[in-house]
Amino acid sequence: EVQLVESGGGLVQPGGSLRLSCAASGFTFNNYWMHWVRQAPGKGLVWVSRINGDGTTTNYADSVKGRFTISRDNAKNTLYLQMNSLRAEDTAVYYCARGDDYSKFVSWGQGTLVTVSS
Amino acid sequence: DIVMTQSPDSLAVSLGERANIDCKSSQSVLHSSNNKNYLAWYQQKPGQPPKLLIYWASTRESGVPDRFSGSGSGTDFTLTISSLQAEDVAVYYCQQCYSTPFTFGGGTKVEIK
Repeated sequence: EVQLVESGGGLVQPGGSLRLSCAASGFTFNNYWMHWVRQAPGKGLVWVSRINGDGTTTNYADSVKGRFTISRDNAKNTLYLQMNSLRAEDTAVYYCARGDDYSKFVSWGQGTLVTVSS
Repeated sequence: DIVMTQSPDSLAVSLGERANIDCKSSQSVLHSSNNKNYLAWYQQKPGQPPKLLIYWASTRESGVPDRFSGSGSGTDFTLTISSLQAEDVAVYYCQQCYSTPFTFGGGTKVEIK
């Protein structure tokens, strides 16, 4: 069974940093693109970033480019999102998701809440 | 960036009746190499992550009830719930995976009338 478990969320002050983790199990982790998607309270889904199986290719939404860094450790079956220079508008539940066939996100974690506030 | 526009924002339908949700992309999401539309539909219930319903615009994900169907090509797409059930109350999102950023529509809230 595919499992994705996010961790690392919490309360951080504006300008601060946080690193999210997503522990994967039940599939061959390095065979898949992995994504981060966020959802502000009461709002819609927003794609944040993706990384390919060997970690050599990454893409970001304009809103986080230069501030967030996606990475992965295939030996640990773990996806990361390093978030720097956090802003109030980054407050959201952050989901990791597995990308299948370049076309669909079949498996999602339960999400981790990041709150940016003073 | 490809902008995804969903309509309506919310929809109230009687049990057993049909619900249609539209999604329009600002440019085509049809990939010429394989003739597939890189358009997916998700269902999200409160407190839960999204659940994939439809991919490639019209292919139902395994385990999804056949009352859910997707149609359309190019820039115009529709999700249809043929006979609304109580458990279908949720927010529905379309998403394009044609090019990054993989944008979502704004969501359509489906309720029981």
